[in-house]
Amino acid sequence: EADIYQTPRYLVIGTGKKITLECSQTMGHDKMYWYQQDPGMELHLIHYSYGVNSTEKGDLSSESTVSRIRTEHFPLTLESARPSHTSQYLCASRRQGGTYQETQYFGPGTRLLVL
Amino acid sequence: RKEVEQDPGPFNVPEGATVAFNCTYSNSASQSFFWYRQDCRKEPKLLMSVYSSGNEDGRFTAQLNRASQYISLLIRDSKLSDSATYLCVVSLTGNQFYFGTGTSLTVIP
Repeated sequence: EADIYQTPRYLVIGTGKKITLECSQTMGHDKMYWYQQDPGMELHLIHYSYGVNSTEKGDLSSESTVSRIRTEHFPLTLESARPSHTSQYLCASRRQGGTYQETQYFGPGTRLLVL
Repeated sequence: RKEVEQDPGPFNVPEGATVAFNCTYSNSASQSFFWYRQDCRKEPKLLMSVYSSGNEDGRFTAQLNRASQYISLLIRDSKLSDSATYLCVVSLTGNQFYFGTGTSLTVIP
């Protein structure tokens, strides 16, 4: 069972608010990822990190930012939430090194509704 | 063109049936391949990795055809608990992962 946690699990917030979605893992994984998934759609990569102080933007520009100050923690921040940000946000981690077949482990997700 | 394409289904099959899903990927340099399972309103969980020679895990068999750039998943003796969405996942470098939209399976009693 994966040891990766996300809070909050559900969030309803008004337009224009700043929000931070938390993600933590206790597996010592160097690589961490944020994905956005709408119902019935594929996961889209928003941001990823190869380790402390390393962050990269993914394919989907979601007007969000991330930080990686500690290996185990990879928070995602939306400076000004909009209704278009309503979605499910999934955090994942993966071990550095190993083979190409090394898989990702996902957190339970945060369901965000912006009114 | 999407990196990974899957037939979204839905597939509705009776218990005990055999069902197969296919998935195609666009980048011939892709290195790693996986099938994930995602239950409704839950996170994806790894079902199995897909190896070049094909591999089996109980009732599940995965195949990779690099020449045709497709991956398959075969489920034998379907159980009610197999009802879920099955995601095909492909990675080029082992760093970024590309997900299909998923194929929905419902196993009917």
